[in-house]
Amino acid sequence: NAGVTQTPKFQVLKTGQSMTLQCAQDMNHEYMSWYRQDPGMGLRLIHYSVGAGITDQGEVPNGYNVSRSTTEDFPLRLLSAAPSQTSVYFCASSYSRDSLSYNEQFFGPGTRLTVL
Amino acid sequence: TQLLEQSPQFLSIQEGENLTVYCNSSSVFSSLQWYRQEPGEGPVLLVTVVTGGEVKKLKRLTFQFGDARKDSSLHITAAQPGDTGLYLCAGAATGNQFYFGTGTSLTVIP
Repeated sequence: NAGVTQTPKFQVLKTGQSMTLQCAQDMNHEYMSWYRQDPGMGLRLIHYSVGAGITDQGEVPNGYNVSRSTTEDFPLRLLSAAPSQTSVYFCASSYSRDSLSYNEQFFGPGTRLTVL
Repeated sequence: TQLLEQSPQFLSIQEGENLTVYCNSSSVFSSLQWYRQEPGEGPVLLVTVVTGGEVKKLKRLTFQFGDARKDSSLHITAAQPGDTGLYLCAGAATGNQFYFGTGTSLTVIP
């Protein structure tokens, strides 16, 4: 199993450009999520999904869209990039939404995004 | 809103010393997880604690969940250079969301 994969690993955008960060998992996990990591702030939840066709907002959703058409894929879209979105983005998956408290989250290697 | 505050933010110690990292909140969580993150990688789960007052040991690491399920601590005995990394606590709240702490960057000097 590849686990959780993310592409690209690095990306530089200009302000106003749009792009999609890809995330895929091959563990048949129901729960998937996107976080951003900024210095001194830990990880903050952007959006999450408890299954195909179901998404919801996290702590910092503004400027980002998600969709979940399959169990495996959970792309994150930046609609119009801003310098404040410069960050490291992590995708994570977990086995079951029904017992979230007990479930380990498996993280991808991250995408380092710079917006000029 | 940062629900979980970790202290200290940075910690640099000599090999063999003991240390404690704290994770505090005013909110109640159904469980508390601790992760370790290496540079350039995603976090990796160390432990999950779910019962107030619970203590779990993982070799030289001891994790404790507060009685009121609002805080947790991580104690490392006889730290080794391999313990170097960013330690993150994460609380599971209602609504299928995890809230991560601010992180503690640990450096163990040989």
